[in-house]
Amino acid sequence: GAVVSQHPSRVICKSGTSVKIECRSLDFQATTMFWYRQFPKQSLMLMATSNEGSKATYEQGVEKDKFLINHASLTLSTLTVTSAHPEDSSFYICSARPRTGRGEKLFFGSGTQLSVL
Amino acid sequence: AQTVTQSQPEMSVQEAETVTLSCTYDTSENNYYLFWYKQPPSRQMILVIRQEAYKQQNATENRFSVNFQKAAKSFSLKISDSQLGDTAMYFCAFWREKLTFGTGTRLTIIP
Repeated sequence: GAVVSQHPSRVICKSGTSVKIECRSLDFQATTMFWYRQFPKQSLMLMATSNEGSKATYEQGVEKDKFLINHASLTLSTLTVTSAHPEDSSFYICSARPRTGRGEKLFFGSGTQLSVL
Repeated sequence: AQTVTQSQPEMSVQEAETVTLSCTYDTSENNYYLFWYKQPPSRQMILVIRQEAYKQQNATENRFSVNFQKAAKSFSLKISDSQLGDTAMYFCAFWREKLTFGTGTRLTIIP
């Protein structure tokens, strides 16, 4: 099956620093990538949708200046958490939608656990 | 906006028994997809089963099957002959241009 690689799997940073998370589709081109956030024992909440070559669309309540999303190519999307604070600590997951085939089929990355000290 | 509701936060069942997880959703759309995802302790999202709303026939995947009631907006998951490896969080999800997840059901299979 299609593979989505997400790095890093775990990151610890100091408050006030920025952290970049990468999401790569390894064997297919992705027109759209989605970024989710999952707090402990809770569901996945969609943060934003990124389309290759265009600006990301953010869900209501998600600060676009804090969570910068770049989808510069058909195989790579990045999420940068700027000026991270302890409340940004969470599990972040990406998913990718293939350019060909059925649009509803998504492939998920393995997630990134962010801990802000 | 679509909403997905899972009314069972936790469930447990003996190994080899059958268990049914409930899911209801709300939408004004006619064409959409419904999914069940499994999230084991590794937290990798694993697709269990998919249902296309325009298909009346319920989807099945080996030990996993669904009961899709479109008029009632209900989409339950039945796991037959449950195995220890089925222990995980299960999320029901609705797709129409983006995925909306339910709150999840923590399923524990007891040896």
